[in-house]
Amino acid sequence: NAGVMQNPRHLVRRRGQEARLRCSPMKGHSHVYWYRQLPEEGLKFMVYLQKENIIDESGMPKERFSAEFPKEGPSILRIQQVVRGDSAAYFCASSPSGFQPQHFGDGTRLSIL
Amino acid sequence: AQSVTQPDIHITVSEGASLELRCNYSYGATPYLFWYVQSPGQGLQLLLKYFSGDTLVQGIKGFEAEFKRSQSSFNLRKPSVHWSDAAEYFCAVGAQDFGNEKLTFGTGTRLTIIP
Repeated sequence: NAGVMQNPRHLVRRRGQEARLRCSPMKGHSHVYWYRQLPEEGLKFMVYLQKENIIDESGMPKERFSAEFPKEGPSILRIQQVVRGDSAAYFCASSPSGFQPQHFGDGTRLSIL
Repeated sequence: AQSVTQPDIHITVSEGASLELRCNYSYGATPYLFWYVQSPGQGLQLLLKYFSGDTLVQGIKGFEAEFKRSQSSFNLRKPSVHWSDAAEYFCAVGAQDFGNEKLTFGTGTRLTIIP
């Protein structure tokens, strides 16, 4: 049973470009969470989605960031017009329901030049 | 809002020695509590969880944690560490409210093992 799959593992973008991070949850999991980890810090919650619905986006920056989890395909975290401060590791987690442990992918390391 | 404090940023122990990593949480009701481990460049692996019931929970790799409501703590323990336990350890709290399933993490404790 494959785990949470994130791609790419590493992403390099120049300031002003767009970054698209993909997450395929574990089989049977319909709940997806995105977290961001800055260097030397813990993970900070960004957004919680179920299929075609955003449940909680209280941790998402108001501008440039968006997330979706379509009926078919992976969840996408999109960052428009990236800036140096967006450099971080972005982790996706999934669970079969809202009150089950979350299983994490290996993350996408985003570097902004 | 929930919060988690891990007071020890870095801990060094000798291989074979016992280990205790501290975690204190703040949450208004009974929380869900988790310990995750992260190796460099990797994602987080769940070590153990507390949802309800027995306050002493057993996890993988020989780890255990004890939920103490009176102290708002959920400390992680292992009787004898192995060199492969060197990693970053994160305590996390989850709410039991619908629509509030996010996890709040502590800042982590880096564990170094010396021979």
